[in-house]
Amino acid sequence: EVQLVESGGGLVQPGGSLKLSCAASGFTFSGSAMHWVRQASGKGLEWVGRIRSKANSYATEYAASVKGRFTISRDDSKNTAHLQMNSLKTEDTAVYYCTRLSSTGQNFDYWGQGTLVTVSS
Amino acid sequence: QTVVTQEPSFSVSPGGTVTLTCGLSSGSVSTSYYPSWYQQTPGQAPRTLIYSTKTRSSGVPDRFSGSILGNKAALTITGAQADDESDYYCVLYMGSGIWVFGGGTKLTVL
Repeated sequence: EVQLVESGGGLVQPGGSLKLSCAASGFTFSGSAMHWVRQASGKGLEWVGRIRSKANSYATEYAASVKGRFTISRDDSKNTAHLQMNSLKTEDTAVYYCTRLSSTGQNFDYWGQGTLVTVSS
Repeated sequence: QTVVTQEPSFSVSPGGTVTLTCGLSSGSVSTSYYPSWYQQTPGQAPRTLIYSTKTRSSGVPDRFSGSILGNKAALTITGAQADDESDYYCVLYMGSGIWVFGGGTKLTVL
């Protein structure tokens, strides 16, 4: 059974940093591109960014709203992806989901349950 | 910056048919954008319904179908049921590793 479990959310002050983790199981993590998607309360889904596999040079891409502040990494030995968030703003407050890009590369086929990040003073 | 557009809300009667659309603020949606559709109920993670324009995800009832209608991607629900009342999101692949979600459509079945 495929599982994605996010952790690391919490309350952080504006300007602060937080690192989220996504522990994966039930599939070949090292071969999968992993994405992060967020959702502010009562709002829609927003794609945050992704990291490709080692075969694709661990290439990363980010949404314009987080570029330069957020960094996605992965540890294939631990089947875990990370989202390092720096210079956090109140508008970054959201539930953060990790999700796997399917093997066809055409959709997000598995999702975690999300972890809540609250940026507030 | 390109915006992906969806109807904010839609209403359908039980047993009725509804078509939700996914467009671009500039240009037309084609299969090259790999449009996919997700269903989300409150407090839950999204669930894939349709990917690559019209392929139903495993376990999705055949009352859900995807297509390109004119210059937009479309999700059609035929024979709507009460438990189809959810938020529906499309996402498009913009190239260069970038994906963009639409704002979502809140579907009411009444």
